[in-house]
Amino acid sequence: DQQVKQNSPSLSVQEGRISILNCDYTNSMFDYFLWYKKYPAEGPTFLISISSIKDKNEDGRFTVFLNKSAKHLSLHIVPSQPGDSAVYFCAASPGGTSYGKLTFGQGTILTVHP
Amino acid sequence: DAMVIQNPRYQVTQFGKPVTLSCSQTLNHNVMYWYQQKSSQAPKLLFHYYDKDFNNEADTPDNFQSRRPNTSFCFLDIRSPGLGDAAMYLCATRPVGGHSMNTEAFFGQGTRLTVV
Repeated sequence: DQQVKQNSPSLSVQEGRISILNCDYTNSMFDYFLWYKKYPAEGPTFLISISSIKDKNEDGRFTVFLNKSAKHLSLHIVPSQPGDSAVYFCAASPGGTSYGKLTFGQGTILTVHP
Repeated sequence: DAMVIQNPRYQVTQFGKPVTLSCSQTLNHNVMYWYQQKSSQAPKLLFHYYDKDFNNEADTPDNFQSRRPNTSFCFLDIRSPGLGDAAMYLCATRPVGGHSMNTEAFFGQGTRLTVV
């Protein structure tokens, strides 16, 4: 039972263009969502997050959008740079006494071509 | 400065030979997690500690154990590694509770385990 899904295993984008990575979730108890970036042989590094009380959060080139009714979130990277090439994981955390457990999607490999 | 440190980065162990992976943190976070990640798959939570309270995921095999002797350190013990246990093991920390419910988790660089 995969509660967080990233249906696109890979995405290829030209430098300077927009990258849009998508994530769907099924558990309505999730109320905090995060995006992580991961290079090979490294641990994930935090990029940006959004609380369920918001529908958009922006940090520099990165914007996360949340559509609660559709149980969908997306990460926009504008403009994309070759250094953005990595695996991007979407993660979700329920509220309450869950001790902040994060459930991850399978990841999307982003390749940004010069 | 590394805040979550995992040792070793790469570990080769023999089939059936017990192995221990370690994680330390300088963040003083109350929650520590161990995730297993296999190629092209989502990181899968094995267990976590909330302070000294151990919480096992329902589908984590008995072969996997953990110890947290103090706030800073956490260990993952694999009692009898099988070929299917070869994976990247990720340790993470997070401050949870009070006004810190919505925060990110900080990950170490991971330990790549190979079973031969």
